[in-house]
Amino acid sequence: KQEVTQIPAALSVPEGENLVLNCSFTDSAIYNLQWFRQDPGKGLTSLLLIQSSQREQTSGRLNASLDKSSGRSTLYIAASQPGDSATYLCALSGSARQLTFGSGTQLTVLP
Amino acid sequence: NAGVTQTPKFRVLKTGQSMTLLCAQDMNHEYMYWYRQDPGMGLRLIHYSVGEGTTAKGEVPDGYNVSRLKKQNFLLGLESAAPSQTSVYFCASSYSLAGVTDTQYFGPGTRLTVL
Repeated sequence: KQEVTQIPAALSVPEGENLVLNCSFTDSAIYNLQWFRQDPGKGLTSLLLIQSSQREQTSGRLNASLDKSSGRSTLYIAASQPGDSATYLCALSGSARQLTFGSGTQLTVLP
Repeated sequence: NAGVTQTPKFRVLKTGQSMTLLCAQDMNHEYMYWYRQDPGMGLRLIHYSVGEGTTAKGEVPDGYNVSRLKKQNFLLGLESAAPSQTSVYFCASSYSLAGVTDTQYFGPGTRLTVL
């Protein structure tokens, strides 16, 4: 069974700092890996999707990488802003064609 | 284009009561899902549907039933609510079944408390 781990559970950084969120998984047989953002009281919004054959994806200040051999993905956020404060979840699509989610990292960017 | 909507937003039930959560999507997606989110545990799949009239069990289906009578709607039912079903419930939809390139679109969630 796929296990997805996100460490740390919470992170607080000053505005302007570059930061990295981590996601690790146990089964490398995946279709894709996605990073979602969740704001308090809201649903999830997809930020980046990396296909199994890809190594990274970029969108604006966000860059996500995928290393299947080591079972790791990172989400890099450049020049963080208070508006980036949210919970970030990674999720993997595997052989069962269902998403398996990590428990998330709650990010707070301090002004 | 409203995307995925959920009704109601909040609900408080007593143990043993029943209720139905409604999910609607206007993107003509074939696939729909119900998840629950508990503190520290991420999202877990309850049931899903691959098309009108079809449903399948996910990771945590016990105590829930679902129906997909119309393509745009997916209902989640609790026949006899238990305190362990206190959670935030999310509905999602997608064009295909968690394939290589497809993501899921999520509703805003329903916060359910069972006393």
